Amino acid sequence: GEQVEQRPPHLSVREGDSAVITCTYTDPNSYYFFWYKQEPGASLQLLMKVFSSTEINEGQGFTVLLNKKDKRLSLNLTAAHPGDSAAYFCAAVNYGNEKITFGAGTKLTIKP
Amino acid sequence: EAAVTQSPRNKVTVTGGNVTLSCRQTNSHNYMYWYRQDTGHGLRLIHYSYGAGNLQIGDVPDGYKATRTTQEDFFLLLELASPSQTSLYFCASSVQRSGNTLYFGEGSRLIVV
Repeated sequence: GEQVEQRPPHLSVREGDSAVITCTYTDPNSYYFFWYKQEPGASLQLLMKVFSSTEINEGQGFTVLLNKKDKRLSLNLTAAHPGDSAAYFCAAVNYGNEKITFGAGTKLTIKP
Repeated sequence: EAAVTQSPRNKVTVTGGNVTLSCRQTNSHNYMYWYRQDTGHGLRLIHYSYGAGNLQIGDVPDGYKATRTTQEDFFLLLELASPSQTSLYFCASSVQRSGNTLYFGEGSRLIVV
């Protein structure tokens, strides 16, 4: 079945710096991808989603890049601010069985 | 905005104990899910349902039962709790399964001692 590897598990950057979180997946039938944000002590909320193509989505200071050839999904933060401190999870949806597979998560800390 | 409410938010039980986690969603979503979240594993699907009376097995179902009594209510049952079931449990709902945003509840932290 699908395996989603998310890196790094922990990431600390200074306010104003950039950050990149990457997920690689194994199943070429994965066709829909999500990024969820989980603030400390809170639930997961949708940050962004991207469909099956080489696609760039932007919003809330983040850019999502999907490269189907390399089976890689990345979440790029261009200028971190304290409100971005959270755990981030990628998720891949399989076209055949509609199964959703989550990455293990990245805990992002923004230092002043 | 979708609203998913879980109870209890925190629970401590003993090994062999009986626990029921409750979830209610108020947006008429068809699908409801139970996940567990553990460090290093992300979210893993326990059970899900696409309507009242329906139950589908997820990826880590052992030791768990679930029941969808109405479109709004989805319960997770641990009839003989074990320490390995100590985890943070999330309920979620979505309109359809594929490609649809999951709306999560606040989580229920369970400790089995």
